[in-house]
Amino acid sequence: KQEVTQIPAALSVPEGENLVLNCSFTDSAIYNLQWFRQDPGKGLTSLLLIQSSQREQTSGRLNASLDKSSGRSTLYIAASQPGDSATYLCAVMEVTSYDKVIFGPGTSLSVIP
Amino acid sequence: NAGVTQTPKFQVLKTGQSMTLQCAQDMNHNSMYWYRQDPGMGLRLIYYSASEGTTDKGEVPNGYNVSRLNKREFSLRLESAAPSQTSVYFCASNTPGQIQPQHFGDGTRLSIL
Repeated sequence: KQEVTQIPAALSVPEGENLVLNCSFTDSAIYNLQWFRQDPGKGLTSLLLIQSSQREQTSGRLNASLDKSSGRSTLYIAASQPGDSATYLCAVMEVTSYDKVIFGPGTSLSVIP
Repeated sequence: NAGVTQTPKFQVLKTGQSMTLQCAQDMNHNSMYWYRQDPGMGLRLIYYSASEGTTDKGEVPNGYNVSRLNKREFSLRLESAAPSQTSVYFCASNTPGQIQPQHFGDGTRLSIL
């Protein structure tokens, strides 16, 4: 059974720092991996989607990498800003009859001005 | 704005009461999903609907029923609410196979007393 974990559970950094969020999964037979952002009281917004054949994806100050062999993904946030404060969730998608998405518990990020 | 709309946003029920959570999407997506989010556990799939007229169980279906009324709407019903069903419920939609993330609503915060 696929399990997704995220470390750390919470992170607090001063504004301007570069930071890395970690995601691990137990079964490498995935279709893709996604990073989502969740603001308090809101739903999930997709940040980056990495297909299983890709190694990384970039969007602005965000860079996500994928290493299927080791079951790991990282989300790198450059020059963090207070507006980056949110919970970040990673999720892997398995190939089934539907888009089966398995979520990690999330990392709560606080960027201090 | 296009997207996934959930109603209500908040609800408090007494044990044993019933209610229906509503979800509608206007993106012409084929598949729709209901998740619940509990602290420290990420999102878990309750039910999904791969297309109009079909529904299937996810990871945690006990105590819930669903109805895919048409392509736009997918409702979740609690027949006899229990305190263990206190959670935040999210509806999502996408069209599988198009390498796109699921789009999420803002959630329904449900408390069972």
